[in-house]
Amino acid sequence: EPEVTQTPSHQVTQMGQEVILRCVPISNHLYFYWYRQILGQKVEFLVSFYNNEISEKSEIFDDQFSVERPDGSNFTLKIRSTKLEDSAMYFCASSETRAQPQHFGDGTRLSIL
Amino acid sequence: AQRVTQPEKLLSVFKGAPVELKCNYSYSGSPELFWYVQYSRQRLQLLLRHISRESIKGFTADLNKGETSFHLKKPFAQEEDSAMYYCALKGSQGNLIFGKGTKLSVKP
Repeated sequence: EPEVTQTPSHQVTQMGQEVILRCVPISNHLYFYWYRQILGQKVEFLVSFYNNEISEKSEIFDDQFSVERPDGSNFTLKIRSTKLEDSAMYFCASSETRAQPQHFGDGTRLSIL
Repeated sequence: AQRVTQPEKLLSVFKGAPVELKCNYSYSGSPELFWYVQYSRQRLQLLLRHISRESIKGFTADLNKGETSFHLKKPFAQEEDSAMYYCALKGSQGNLIFGKGTKLSVKP
């Protein structure tokens, strides 16, 4: 069964540094999403992406965040200048259409020191 | 406001006992609800969605619009059901709004 894959599984970064989290969505999916889960809290929506542009974003997704689909397979989340409070699990998801269920990757654990 | 509430952080039952994981939602309009499961060290997996009206691994969930609930039920819990269970609502923007999750522990 096809899966969403995310790399790396764990990223440790100094505060203030830029970080890029990578995702390969399921190949025939057209809608892509990023969510995050701070330890002990709920999974929160960050951004959705369709047709090479952001379709929706939450208030968490401020100017420090950006997303990109640099080629036909990867979907990346960039945090420009990381803060301690960015430490969380970041989940990528994809769906075939907006109506179809979202399939999640294993997540990337981001630790900011 | 669009919100999902899972009131129980932890639910512990014995094998063979019935289990009900509670989920309440707040949404104006016609809601679309899901249950996701996360087994130890694995990804979030879709368990079921209300529009499918299906039973997966013996679990069922019925949307009750009057009570704004979408509780997950299984008549006889198995040890392999031990996992984190997340109720989710599809928001008006197409994103998923998750509850805090309930950890189900099924004891032998």
